[in-house]
Amino acid sequence: ILNVEQSPQSLHVQEGDSTNFTCSFPSSNFYALHWYRWETAKSPEALFVMTLNGDEKKKGRISATLNTKEGYSYLYIKGSQPEDSATYLCAPVPNGNKLVFGAGTILRVKS
Amino acid sequence: EPEVTQTPSHQVTQMGQEVILRCVPISNHLYFYWYRQILGQKVEFLVSFYNNEISEKSEIFDDQFSVERPDGSNFTLKIRSTKLEDSAMYFCASGSRGTYEQYFGPGTRLTVT
Repeated sequence: ILNVEQSPQSLHVQEGDSTNFTCSFPSSNFYALHWYRWETAKSPEALFVMTLNGDEKKKGRISATLNTKEGYSYLYIKGSQPEDSATYLCAPVPNGNKLVFGAGTILRVKS
Repeated sequence: EPEVTQTPSHQVTQMGQEVILRCVPISNHLYFYWYRQILGQKVEFLVSFYNNEISEKSEIFDDQFSVERPDGSNFTLKIRSTKLEDSAMYFCASGSRGTYEQYFGPGTRLTVT
């Protein structure tokens, strides 16, 4: 069973703060890594799919990096806004197309 | 923007009853998936489906579960005889050829009493 760890479990920040979370996974049998943003009662929203070691992706104020050799990915949010409040899920793909999810990081941004 | 839809949003059923959860994937997608999240636990993979057959399934996906694409637009998950432990949020996802991307629906909350 692939063990995917996300830290921290939850995070409370002030509006304007920058923040980052970690996803760690076994570095063997790696095909891709997904990041999703999930608000309650809505569909998980795809943020990034990363496949190559050293990949860096950016979408507005959110960016992510990938290190497949050591088995981790970081998600950064610059200048957090209340609307960034959500659960952020990472999901490596060890083989095929099956996503293996971490438990998520719950972000709450206070205005 | 195209999206995956799921119906119903909430289903309550009695133990032992059959349920069918319905999904309409994004129209040009070829890969279809079901995942579920039991309250307080991680989202977990159930099954993937491509070219009208199951391509991979997890240990959870036993003989009580089945999937079907009955009419080229819907993708269904059937649980033949529900158990209390089947209570969860069930997510459908779809993806297109040549990418790893999977687009999720909003989920169906299944409550087995």
